[in-house]
Amino acid sequence: NAGVMQNPRHLVRRRGQEARLRCSPMKGHSHVYWYRQLPEEGLKFMVYLQKENIIDESGMPKERFSAEFPKEGPSILRIQQVVRGDSAAYFCASSPQTMNTEAFFGQGTRLTVV
Amino acid sequence: GENVEQHPSTLSVQEGDSAVIKCTYSDSASNYFPWYKQELGKRPQLIIDIRSNVGEKKDQRIAVTLNKTAKHFSLHITETQPEDSAVYFCAAGLQGSQGNLIFGKGTKLSVKP
Repeated sequence: NAGVMQNPRHLVRRRGQEARLRCSPMKGHSHVYWYRQLPEEGLKFMVYLQKENIIDESGMPKERFSAEFPKEGPSILRIQQVVRGDSAAYFCASSPQTMNTEAFFGQGTRLTVV
Repeated sequence: GENVEQHPSTLSVQEGDSAVIKCTYSDSASNYFPWYKQELGKRPQLIIDIRSNVGEKKDQRIAVTLNKTAKHFSLHITETQPEDSAVYFCAAGLQGSQGNLIFGKGTKLSVKP
């Protein structure tokens, strides 16, 4: 089991470009969570998805940010028209389809907007 | 929604001493409380968790206590070692398919040899 895989590990975008962050959950996990971590700060919940469904997006900014978890393929966090304030580490976590919310994190994608 | 407060934000101890990190939560429905350790530049990793039907759990040098009435839980590390130096995050969540985790802001623990 390769664990939660995120790519790319590092992503540099110019202001106004789009950023696409990918997350492949652990095998057998159907719950995916995205968190944002600013330097020297904690993990802020963004969105919780199950296959083909957004369960809770209460932490997502209302504009420019979107997330999906299709039936096939990885979960995608998409940031349109990036701004400098979007620079952060974005972590994905997954958990199994059980009554247990124990979550396993990926290595994160460090987004830098220049 | 849930809100998790974590204290202290930084903690420095001598090797061999104990370290205690405390968290409070606001949503009485939360019933799952994990602790994560994050080393510099790495992913958060689960080190111990506790569910609301238990008041205390121990795993070698690490223990967690939960007081549901007061809505607070604590991480205790005994006989600290330099490799315990990291940022520790507490979290609270709802067990079950609708749950997600809300994290505290983290405690930077430094263990001095």
